[in-house]
Amino acid sequence: DTGVSQNPRHKITKRGQNVTFRCDPISEHNRLYWYRQTLGQGPEFLTYFQNEAQLEKSRLLSDRFSAERPKGSFSTLEIQRTEQGDSAMYLCASSLDAGLYEQYFGPGTRLTVT
Amino acid sequence: GESVGLHLPTLSVQEGDNSIINCAYSNSASDYFIWYKQESGKGPQFIIDIRSNMDKRQGQRVTVLLNKTVKHLSLQIAATQPGDSAVYFCAENMSTGSQGNLIFGKGTKLSVKP
Repeated sequence: DTGVSQNPRHKITKRGQNVTFRCDPISEHNRLYWYRQTLGQGPEFLTYFQNEAQLEKSRLLSDRFSAERPKGSFSTLEIQRTEQGDSAMYLCASSLDAGLYEQYFGPGTRLTVT
Repeated sequence: GESVGLHLPTLSVQEGDNSIINCAYSNSASDYFIWYKQESGKGPQFIIDIRSNMDKRQGQRVTVLLNKTVKHLSLQIAATQPGDSAVYFCAENMSTGSQGNLIFGKGTKLSVKP
């Protein structure tokens, strides 16, 4: 497998519950990104990592959201106390390094908060 | 980001015709641009990229044109096929600033009639 993988592909949860998503980037890619996409819109940047360091967070990333990349390989995105407005597709992407490199996206995790 | 609602601009073409999808980008300091194709239920798929020191780049059946004067990007698809039906997004990045943040434009839905 040479692509970005994400698990689970779909998650349905009740409002107030916590959820965690996982992303496995392309191996040897140092950079890992999280985006959120709602219906009819382009992906919106949430945060990114250079190896294990989280270098930037969007103002979209409220304090209920936390992301980790503990060993510089896979990453997790946790949403605490989910709200209906969190319903979206959560996309992960990776790129070789800093600078002008294309980002390769995974299939996404579709979150539905009921 | 700006809300675009659920209704994407749509381009409908006949199979075998050429398609041109346009995009206006927002930041005059952006120096790297990517076109992505997104099929329903999938993550964005990299098509082609271009750096700001170029005004044209060709791939297989695709050509990207960059006009920095008016901050305009276009994607040309030759001999459009039914498999090209998808939503197309342009994205911009600024290598001298935040390197993690791909900013996506409004998508265009391409519909290919057989």
